[in-house]
Amino acid sequence: QQQVKQSPQSLIVQKGGISIINCAYENTAFDYFPWYQQFPGKGPALLIAIRPDVSEKKEGRFTISFNKSAKQFSLHIMDSQPGDSATYFCAASKRGGGNKLTFGTGTQLKVEL
Amino acid sequence: ETGVTQSPTHLIKTRGQQVTLRCSSQSGHNTVSWYQQALGQGPQFIFQYYREEENGRGNFPPRFSGLQFPNYSSELNVNALELDDSALYLCASSLGGGAWLDTQYFGPGTRLTVL
Repeated sequence: QQQVKQSPQSLIVQKGGISIINCAYENTAFDYFPWYQQFPGKGPALLIAIRPDVSEKKEGRFTISFNKSAKQFSLHIMDSQPGDSATYFCAASKRGGGNKLTFGTGTQLKVEL
Repeated sequence: ETGVTQSPTHLIKTRGQQVTLRCSSQSGHNTVSWYQQALGQGPQFIFQYYREEENGRGNFPPRFSGLQFPNYSSELNVNALELDDSALYLCASSLGGGAWLDTQYFGPGTRLTVL
């Protein structure tokens, strides 16, 4: 059972453009939504995270938008750079479930010059 | 500060064999979680260890087992390997006993291929 659905599977964006990755969840017990970035040969690394008490969180060029009623959240990468080319995973965890993460299926982002 | 390290990097086994994967947690971290990442998929939680005790388990059969040692390093053991066990196995360590919001720091993974 896929509890966190992620789209698109792959994305090509021109340098300087905006990259948008979407996730939807089913379990209303989820209460923490991090995004992880994974480069080839490396493990995932925490990029930015949000809790549902806010609708948006911004850190540099990275913004999470959160829609609690729709059970959806998205990652926006502004001014996308070739160095942003990586696989991005959304994830979720439950307050009563410790820090165990349920991941989406991943989005492979390529930023072209 | 040393990050999470895993060994070996790659491993090839045949069906029915047993395998042991190793993880050294980041300095000061007392909790280790293991995830399986099949090709083209997101990581799936296998189990977590805190102070040498299992602290939660995902939907994996008992042939997946683990250990945590007093220095907080950990092993993942898989018995009776199946073809579907081929995946990248990720270890993640965290500082706060696996508490909610406790950030997990991932190692580079061990790529297991079962033939």
